[in-house]
Amino acid sequence: GESVGLHLPTLSVQEGDNSIINCAYSNSASDYFIWYKQESGKGPQFIIDIRSNMDKRQGQRVTVLLNKTVKHLSLQIAATQPGDSAVYFCAENRGTGFQKLVFGTGTRLLVSP
Amino acid sequence: NAGVTQTPKFQVLKTGQSMTLQCAQDMNHNSMYWYRQDPGMGLRLIYYSASEGTTDKGEVPNGYNVSRLNKREFSLRLESAAPSQTSVYFCASRGLIGYAEAFFGQGTRLTVV
Repeated sequence: GESVGLHLPTLSVQEGDNSIINCAYSNSASDYFIWYKQESGKGPQFIIDIRSNMDKRQGQRVTVLLNKTVKHLSLQIAATQPGDSAVYFCAENRGTGFQKLVFGTGTRLLVSP
Repeated sequence: NAGVTQTPKFQVLKTGQSMTLQCAQDMNHNSMYWYRQDPGMGLRLIYYSASEGTTDKGEVPNGYNVSRLNKREFSLRLESAAPSQTSVYFCASRGLIGYAEAFFGQGTRLTVV
């Protein structure tokens, strides 16, 4: 299930389940979004991105959905594995020239064997 | 390729001391960023540089200064360190166009006592 802790919300799933991680963004002018994975002690790593002229984009085991009407982004991970356990962040492109990259709060994904 | 390199990896400062965090990228990227990440929290943008010769404030710029020394290097300076600046600092870089992922360094863990 999903719970909101003192800091990062946590999503706990069983190995093999599909995971859905959500992100709300605030700026309707943001035109590009990126999902990152961060493992303990490391810098964020790119997973998948999507431009605002798309609703859906698929990668290997991952799908990103964009709903501009409600300013919502989701990351779906198919057949979740223990190695997917990490913190996941969405980031949006904002600001003049759209070079300002701002991150959301993040969600911790815990995958149980 | 080294990608994005940050130095130092760890640093302990006393309150009031100053220091500069160094970041260099070898990917010929135009944009560079500095973020801070507090324990169990997301990444917050301190400053960014959309291109050589320009810098802009992010979400939490107070207490910091930056210098875009050349296209490769972007440094972050703490003039008078405070315990509230204890955090992990990440540098990142992106290519010319806005629709590109950012690549991150491994972080600098800074403790101010």
